[in-house]
Amino acid sequence: AQKVTQAQTEISVVEKEDVTLDCVYETRDTTYYLFWYKQPPSGELVFLIRRNSFDEQNEISGRYSWNFQKSTSSFNFTITASQVVDSAVYFCALDEFKAAGNKLTFGGGTRVLVKP
Amino acid sequence: EADIYQTPRYLVIGTGKKITLECSQTMGHDKMYWYQQDPGMELHLIHYSYGVNSTEKGDLSSESTVSRIRTEHFPLTLESARPSHTSQYLCASSIGPTYNSPLHFGNGTRLTVT
Repeated sequence: AQKVTQAQTEISVVEKEDVTLDCVYETRDTTYYLFWYKQPPSGELVFLIRRNSFDEQNEISGRYSWNFQKSTSSFNFTITASQVVDSAVYFCALDEFKAAGNKLTFGGGTRVLVKP
Repeated sequence: EADIYQTPRYLVIGTGKKITLECSQTMGHDKMYWYQQDPGMELHLIHYSYGVNSTEKGDLSSESTVSRIRTEHFPLTLESARPSHTSQYLCASSIGPTYNSPLHFGNGTRLTVT
């Protein structure tokens, strides 16, 4: 069975500090997909990134960067120079490759609070 | 600009009432989902649909029911609301399988049953 663990329930930082969100996953499949979603106070989850299990290249998008390491089953997310608008709940998610494509498993979420 | 709409945004209702949470999307997505989000933030899939006349139960057992008569509409119904149903309900859609297609979420309905 697949499982996603986000050990940090809440992280509080001061604006301009960097913050790293941990995500550890478990799966028996060799083909799987990892995601990060952001849930701002407005409620809707917003897709940030998708990674497949064969692509271990790290990715940077503006102030966001992702570090995927299969050896440790981790897919960590870093926000550089955090801003107040980054305050949100962030979810890591895992989906195994299946024809049905409906087994997206979310982690418990990490609430990030960026103080001015 | 929201492409997936949920109404109502907030609902406070008494025990025993029948309620329907509405979800509509304008993207023509075949796949739609209902997630329940508890106060601890965890998201649990309670229903999904591959298309018209297709509905399946998710990982978390739920007393709610869903229907998919039109592609764009995926309402969730509770025949008799109970305090244990108090939660946030999030509707989502995707153009293809979840491993390949990001989910588009609505703003959610926060339900409180008194």
